[in-house]
Amino acid sequence: DTGVSQDPRHKITKRGQNVTFRCDPISEHNRLYWYRQTLGQGPEFLTYFQNEAQLEKSRLLSDRFSAERPKGSFSTLEIQRTEQGDSAMYLCASSFWRDRPEQFFGPGTRLTVL
Amino acid sequence: GQQVMQIPQYQHVQEGEDFTTYCNSSTTLSNIQWYKQRPGGHPVFLIQLVKSGEVKKQKRLTFQFGEAKKNSSLHITATQTTDVGTYFCAVKFSNTGNQFYFGTGTSLTVIP
Repeated sequence: DTGVSQDPRHKITKRGQNVTFRCDPISEHNRLYWYRQTLGQGPEFLTYFQNEAQLEKSRLLSDRFSAERPKGSFSTLEIQRTEQGDSAMYLCASSFWRDRPEQFFGPGTRLTVL
Repeated sequence: GQQVMQIPQYQHVQEGEDFTTYCNSSTTLSNIQWYKQRPGGHPVFLIQLVKSGEVKKQKRLTFQFGEAKKNSSLHITATQTTDVGTYFCAVKFSNTGNQFYFGTGTSLTVIP
């Protein structure tokens, strides 16, 4: 158990619907990352936060994607007007910058868009 | 654009044989991390390399960072069935921000 939790673990939605995922990082971690992973590929960076500030966002990220970390603790990732190509595993990871370099990953949310 | 290539994509070995995966970049890296992902699981951190020519060992695993900081390798001696999974490198480029770029991974199968 890495301590990072994600909810829900699975989400099935119809094309065009909005979905929101939640990530609860390890409590003392100040950095939080979102990745997307499809079958046979490595995790693809989406965005990351240091505390409540969103410091970097992938240029590949569509405007339909938005992430927040309002109080520097949990984070949400919202996808608006989902498309079939959004089907993937969405992974959250957290780390404590300066102290230990490793990212601790959560179990992921598997999104299926019909 | 900056790319991270991992080879091979797949590797099947007999239990007891050695295994090596390589991570290659077209540009200089700031640092590199290695992760292992078991089937159905999430990536788990193994090691971070920062210095040119750095070599680190963890039991049967040996990690190397190239002198030019453009490539890295992970070598497993005498593989065991518990080594099964996909091994990813995750790199941070010298000229970009703090995001990590993951390679495509090497899927290791160990035949008992």
